[in-house]
Amino acid sequence: DVKVTQSSRYLVKRTGEKVFLECVQDMDHENMFWYRQDPGLGLRLIYFSYDVKMKEKGDIPEGYSVSREKKERFSLILESASTNQTSMYLCASSAGGPNYYEQYFGPGTRLTVT
Amino acid sequence: SQQGEEDPQALSIQEGENATMNCSYKTSINNLQWYRQNSGRGLVHLILIRSNEREKHSGRLRVTLDTSKKSSSLLITASRAADTASYFCATSNSGGYQKVTFGTGTKLQVIP
Repeated sequence: DVKVTQSSRYLVKRTGEKVFLECVQDMDHENMFWYRQDPGLGLRLIYFSYDVKMKEKGDIPEGYSVSREKKERFSLILESASTNQTSMYLCASSAGGPNYYEQYFGPGTRLTVT
Repeated sequence: SQQGEEDPQALSIQEGENATMNCSYKTSINNLQWYRQNSGRGLVHLILIRSNEREKHSGRLRVTLDTSKKSSSLLITASRAADTASYFCATSNSGGYQKVTFGTGTKLQVIP
């Protein structure tokens, strides 16, 4: 059974803290994604990675960075958390190649920045 | 930028009725997917339809795609209380790396 796991379901951090969100997939997928989900805005892509050590900016990369040192792990880093980064963060993965678009999602991390 | 816009934003029906959700998008696409999200959880893939297909079925789901109108619809027949969830359409174009753009979702409530 395919699995994407995220390090925390709920997280509370203070403004200015450095925050790490980790995502691990066990499907040997090439592509991994980080989204944030806010009411009325749907899912917005922050960053994605199509290979180890490769990354591409999504639609809203400002204030975030990512790291992919191993194929199965994709980390999202908030360098200095701010209250407007309070959100639900969703990680996803998908197989590589031109015919695979189905994404598998983790359960999400609800981050609150106070 | 958001590609897909779902309509309606919210839908409430009785168990056993059919539910129809629509998705409109702006630019040409390679394929379109539908996902379901149960409250506070991750998304689950339901069905993918390619740009050269007009209709696809999976169990109680029926998806249509009209590329001339840049729209898609998801029909859930004989709805059940367990279908209560948010439904998102997601589009991909040939821009590379399977980048998928999600819409804002339709919240479906099925009343037992």
